[in-house]
Amino acid sequence: QVNLLQSGAALVKPGASVKLSCKASGYTFTDYYIHWVKQSHGKSLEWIGYINPNSGYTNYNEKFKSKATLTVDKSTNTAYMELSRLTSEDSATYYCTRWLPGYGFAYWGQGTLVTVSS
Amino acid sequence: NIVMTQSPKSMSISVGDRVTMNCKASQNVGNNIAWYQQKPGQSPKLLIYYASNRYTGVPDRFTGGGYGTDFTLTINSVQAEDAAFYYCQRIYNSPWTFGGGTKLELK
Repeated sequence: QVNLLQSGAALVKPGASVKLSCKASGYTFTDYYIHWVKQSHGKSLEWIGYINPNSGYTNYNEKFKSKATLTVDKSTNTAYMELSRLTSEDSATYYCTRWLPGYGFAYWGQGTLVTVSS
Repeated sequence: NIVMTQSPKSMSISVGDRVTMNCKASQNVGNNIAWYQQKPGQSPKLLIYYASNRYTGVPDRFTGGGYGTDFTLTINSVQAEDAAFYYCQRIYNSPWTFGGGTKLELK
């Protein structure tokens, strides 16, 4: 079965960077795009962008182009999202999710809580 | 960019009632809409794809409808376990925008 296992919660200082991971299993990693979604506390969902694990091609929401960098490691079936120059506005839960063609975001990681605080 | 607007922001319903929530796209998106359910502390779950198709395992009391700019999610005979946030999403084209959500509470 498809599983997306995300890294644990992170407490980071303002101005720093953080790299989140999303380890995929149960399917061929390079066959499906991985998307990332932000959810601030008590707020709605924001689409950050996606990466094609096969080619490394990325597509970002304009809002996150200078904030997020998506990469993959095909050898470990892991997708990464690095968030840079963190501020309190970046405190949120971040999800990785996999598109099921013809359907929608059918598979989600458990989420990673990022807290930005000094 | 397309904006997805959901209404109402919240609603309080009794078990057994029928409820309809709305999602309006700022431009024509055809039937490229998905609906998700999210309970506190959980990841979102796919309910409806392409506006009106129930995803695998979703109870048939959930019905999606609409085309173009106006979409609905109806829950017939609401159950206690349906208390959650519901989000619509424009799919298949970037940006894959979500609506602001509707909170469904049970009385």
